[in-house]
Amino acid sequence: EVQLVESGGGLVQPGRSLKLSCAASGFTFSNYYTAWVRQAPKKGLEWVATISSSGSRTYYPDSVKGRFTISRDNAKSSLYLQMNSLKSEDTATYYCARQTGSFDYWGQGVMVTVSS
Amino acid sequence: DIQMTQSPASLSASLRETVSIECLASEDIYNNLAWYQQKPGKSPQLLIYYASSLQDGVPSRFSGSGSGTQYSLKIKSLESEDAATYFCLQDSEYPNTFGAGTKLELK
Repeated sequence: EVQLVESGGGLVQPGRSLKLSCAASGFTFSNYYTAWVRQAPKKGLEWVATISSSGSRTYYPDSVKGRFTISRDNAKSSLYLQMNSLKSEDTATYYCARQTGSFDYWGQGVMVTVSS
Repeated sequence: DIQMTQSPASLSASLRETVSIECLASEDIYNNLAWYQQKPGKSPQLLIYYASSLQDGVPSRFSGSGSGTQYSLKIKSLESEDAATYFCLQDSEYPNTFGAGTKLELK
C-alpha cells in the first residue's frame, strides 16, 4: 500500500523558516517524481514544487521560487520542503504527493501557520 | 501560465441523478487533465487521469471526457458518498494548475 506521511508543520513567524518532511513507503520511491501541493484554509489547491526521481530537476511556481527548496533522499525514501522567508499567504495545509503526470497518491497533509 | 476555469462553482443534485462538471483550459492541454474528489478534512483522491482514464478502485459511475481546451467529469446515478468538492488539474506543463473547485451537495 502506498503511504505518504508528512511532518514538520507548525506555527512560525513571518520571515522565518520551516522544513517539512514526507516519508514514503509501499512503492519504489526512487522511480517516481514527487511533489508538494498546498491548500490555504477554505481555498483551492496550489502546486508548490516538483522534483524528478533522481533529484536532478526541480520545478516551482513563481509564488515560491527563490524561497522554497524541494529535495529528496532516495536512500531514506524521503521528500523535503525547505521554506524560507515565510509570508502569511504561505499559511496552508501542505500535502506531499507522488507525481505520474497527475498526482496519484497524496499524504494526509500537515498544517503550516505563518503568523506573529 | 495555463488558467483552468471550472464550472459550476457549486451544484445541488438528488440521489440517482447524473451531473457534469466542466473545466476550460486557456490553451490546448493535450488531454493532460485529471479530476480529483476531496471530502472535508481529507486529502484529494484521484478519480480520472489523462482526461478519461479511470483510476484503480474508482467506481465506474465516474467518467471523464474532452480534448483540446474543454473537459468534463460526469457522475452517473449519484450516491450519498459523492457529496464532496471536485477539482480539475492540468499537468500538461509547469506550473501545474488546478481549477477553483466545484462543491457538490446532495439534496
